[in-house]
Amino acid sequence: QVRLKESGPRLVQPSQTLSVTCTVSGFSVTSYHVSWVRQPPGKGLEWVGAIWKGGSTDYNSALKSRLSISRDTSKNQVFLKMNSLQTDDTGTYYCAKHRSFLGPLFDYWGQGVMVTVSS
Amino acid sequence: VQMTQSPSYLAASPGESVSISCKASKSISNNLAWYQEKPGKANKLLIHSGSTLQSGTPSRFSGSGSGTDFTLTIRSLESEDFAVYYCQQYNEYPPTFGAGTKLELK
Repeated sequence: QVRLKESGPRLVQPSQTLSVTCTVSGFSVTSYHVSWVRQPPGKGLEWVGAIWKGGSTDYNSALKSRLSISRDTSKNQVFLKMNSLQTDDTGTYYCAKHRSFLGPLFDYWGQGVMVTVSS
Repeated sequence: VQMTQSPSYLAASPGESVSISCKASKSISNNLAWYQEKPGKANKLLIHSGSTLQSGTPSRFSGSGSGTDFTLTIRSLESEDFAVYYCQQYNEYPPTFGAGTKLELK
């Protein structure tokens, strides 16, 4: 059974770094790409970036300078780090499994972790 | 690619049929997905390739369209269908989403 679960701090101070972990089961992160998607409160979904099954990454150009996505294949985990946080980075952060290598179509999502950026 | 979804809100009763529109700012072929969002649950992929039901999606859901104009139709609404629905293009990176349609009980 495929599952993804995000974990991380619920509150982060402005200018600090956000670290979120996605722990997956039912598939290997070396076999499928995994993306991060975020959703500010009351707003739409925004693709943050992805780590390909081979380990390389791709980022939303608007966030690229602040982002790092990595993984631990032994633990089947994917990590999101975003620095220099501002209040408009507040939102729910999701990880999602790509259905195939053909494009960013997501067949399984985690329930998300709500992160508030505030002092 | 900008995705314009309408309406933002839709009120309906069980047994009714509803349709949600999604328009892309340029052609995305049929690389369009529909997702369902419910509180406390993971987003669920309902339809991909514009009209292909994902495994487990009830047959009362259908998708149509190609190019720039797409529609999600739900026939004979059931209580479990009241949720938020998003379209998403996956024709190119970055993938982009519609703003969502909240389907509420009338």
